[in-house]
Amino acid sequence: DARVTQTPRHKVTEMGQEVTMRCQPILGHNTVFWYRQTMMQGLELLAYFRNRAPLDDSGMPKDRFSAEMPDATLATLKIQPSEPRDSAVYFCASGLDRLNTEAFFGQGTRLTVV
Amino acid sequence: AQSVSQHNHHVILSEAASLELGCNYSYGGTVNLFWYVQYPGQHLQLLLKYFSGDPLVKGIKGFEAEFIKSKFSFNLRKPSVQWSDTAEYFCAVITNNQGGKLIFGQGTELSVKP
Repeated sequence: DARVTQTPRHKVTEMGQEVTMRCQPILGHNTVFWYRQTMMQGLELLAYFRNRAPLDDSGMPKDRFSAEMPDATLATLKIQPSEPRDSAVYFCASGLDRLNTEAFFGQGTRLTVV
Repeated sequence: AQSVSQHNHHVILSEAASLELGCNYSYGGTVNLFWYVQYPGQHLQLLLKYFSGDPLVKGIKGFEAEFIKSKFSFNLRKPSVQWSDTAEYFCAVITNNQGGKLIFGQGTELSVKP
């Protein structure tokens, strides 16, 4: 049963600490999306990769957020330093690089920064 | 830039009532359209999708959506809702000019009273 796997599922951290969230896309998928979900903003696209290359990270605060794909099986989203306003659920999704296909979502990482 | 608008933020219905959730997008070219559902505490799951062909698409759990190109709309419908349909519903679009970027609307929270 192919699925997108995100770790950790929950993270509580203190303000100023570094946070790393990981995503394992579905094997064979070559596009990866990172979204942040909050009550106020809904689903915001933070970053988008195709074939491990970042295509669009305009939705991501550059001063503290970074997204990478060290290899085809791992995508990471880092926040350094973290702030209380970063508290949200972060979703990773993967798909294939063609128009007529959908994205599959992971279970999300619920981040709380205190 | 393309955008997706969902008109209703929160809809409250009684069981067996009919449902229609509005979705409009702002791009005039080729689009792929999606409705995702997020049950409380869970990740997003695909409800239905439109790529081409018959503009009336049927999805899981009795949901359907109609693509009306002239109105840039992709409204979600269900003739008779159930308590288990309580969830948040997201409309999303991929366009052929954005390199496959998946953009979501703000979401509509549906509460079904038993």
